[in-house]
Amino acid sequence: GQQLNQSPQSMFIQEGEDVSMNCTSSSIFNTWLWYKQDPGEGPVLLIALYKAGELTSNGRLTAQFGITRKDSFLNISASIPSDVGIYFCAGPLTSGTYKYIFGTGTRLKVLA
Amino acid sequence: DSGVTQTPKHLITATGQRVTLRCSPRSGDLSVYWYQQSLDQGLQFLIQYYNGEERAKGNILERFSAQQFPDLHSELNLSSLELGDSALYFCASSPGVQWGASTDTQYFGPGTRLTVL
Repeated sequence: GQQLNQSPQSMFIQEGEDVSMNCTSSSIFNTWLWYKQDPGEGPVLLIALYKAGELTSNGRLTAQFGITRKDSFLNISASIPSDVGIYFCAGPLTSGTYKYIFGTGTRLKVLA
Repeated sequence: DSGVTQTPKHLITATGQRVTLRCSPRSGDLSVYWYQQSLDQGLQFLIQYYNGEERAKGNILERFSAQQFPDLHSELNLSSLELGDSALYFCASSPGVQWGASTDTQYFGPGTRLTVL
């Protein structure tokens, strides 16, 4: 079935470093969403992208809607300890339903 | 705080039992979605309701059912529980747009952790 692949699966970085992660799909998406999930909590929406090529920032976070509409990228600049968590990309199927597909997640750990 | 509330936060029960999870959407949101997240897994879409009607179905087992009430709160019923049903169950809500629109961002509740012993 359709799925979103995220890479890397996990990453350990030093505080202050920049982080890049991406999400790819075999199908076209019209919307890309990036969520962060803290342990035991629900995902929190970080950034929503609605147009191919769109680049959107939210504080230290920047996300891009890939021009092919089959991928998206999330960058975190100057990471801090509270950036720890799992980052998920998500998008609705293009079949006209609102079934969201979530990516496999990128687990981020920040070393102080 | 997303504005989506879920109760209970934790639920421990035995195999074969039936439980009901409750979700109240954000004020004004018409759509409610249910997701299952097993340990270290991604979110699996179960079902969506829009203004009281079922709108989309995912990988929801026949032992599971849901409904959305006139006041827009939703309940997910899980019956004949098995050990493998232990998971976090999330509810999300969204404003709900006309069918075919491309944008309808979902906001997640804190989840219910179900443990089946």
